[in-house]
Amino acid sequence: AQSVTQLDSQVPVFEEAPVELRCNYSSSVSVYLFWYVQYPNQGLQLLLKYLSGSTLVKGINGFEAEFNKSQTSFHLRKPSVHISDTAEYFCAVKKGGSNYKLTFGKGTLLTVNP
Amino acid sequence: DAEITQSPRHKITETGRQVTLACHQTWNHNNMFWYRQDLGHGLRLIHYSYGVQDTNKGEVSDGYSVSRSNTEDLPLTLESAASSQTSVYFCASSGQGAYEQYFGPGTRLTVT
Repeated sequence: AQSVTQLDSQVPVFEEAPVELRCNYSSSVSVYLFWYVQYPNQGLQLLLKYLSGSTLVKGINGFEAEFNKSQTSFHLRKPSVHISDTAEYFCAVKKGGSNYKLTFGKGTLLTVNP
Repeated sequence: DAEITQSPRHKITETGRQVTLACHQTWNHNNMFWYRQDLGHGLRLIHYSYGVQDTNKGEVSDGYSVSRSNTEDLPLTLESAASSQTSVYFCASSGQGAYEQYFGPGTRLTVT
């Protein structure tokens, strides 16, 4: 079965500091990868996705992620965070094939402090 | 603009009652999904549908059912609500050939 591991459940950082949220997946076949953000009392919003091509993917709000096939990782990064980036972030994976299901990690709560 | 809506946004019900949560999307997407979100578990798939009259069980389907009579709607029914079903429920949809899912705002259900 497909699994997604988000290595940190909580990441506190100071405003304007860089941040990396880690995500590893288990699969020996091709995958599609996603990062979602959830602000308090809201649904999930797509940040970025990797389907194929360049391994460095840029998303909304200044976030980017790098697909590393050999390490089965898809870490999310931002060079300088803002207070407004405080939210929960979810990594998700879709295994290659005809189904449309996503498997989500348990989430990482990013807290940006002034 | 196309969107996905859920109703009600908040619901309190008693153990043993039947509850139906509504999900409506105007994206004209074939694929629709129901998840529950619980602390420490992330999002877990309850049921999903790839088109009208198609329904499939997810990883936590016991005690839940869905029906798909048209493209826009996928209502989720709790046949006999249990306290373990207190959770936040999210509906999502995706289009044919596209894998990213679009989420509704969620329904917070409390079973007392």
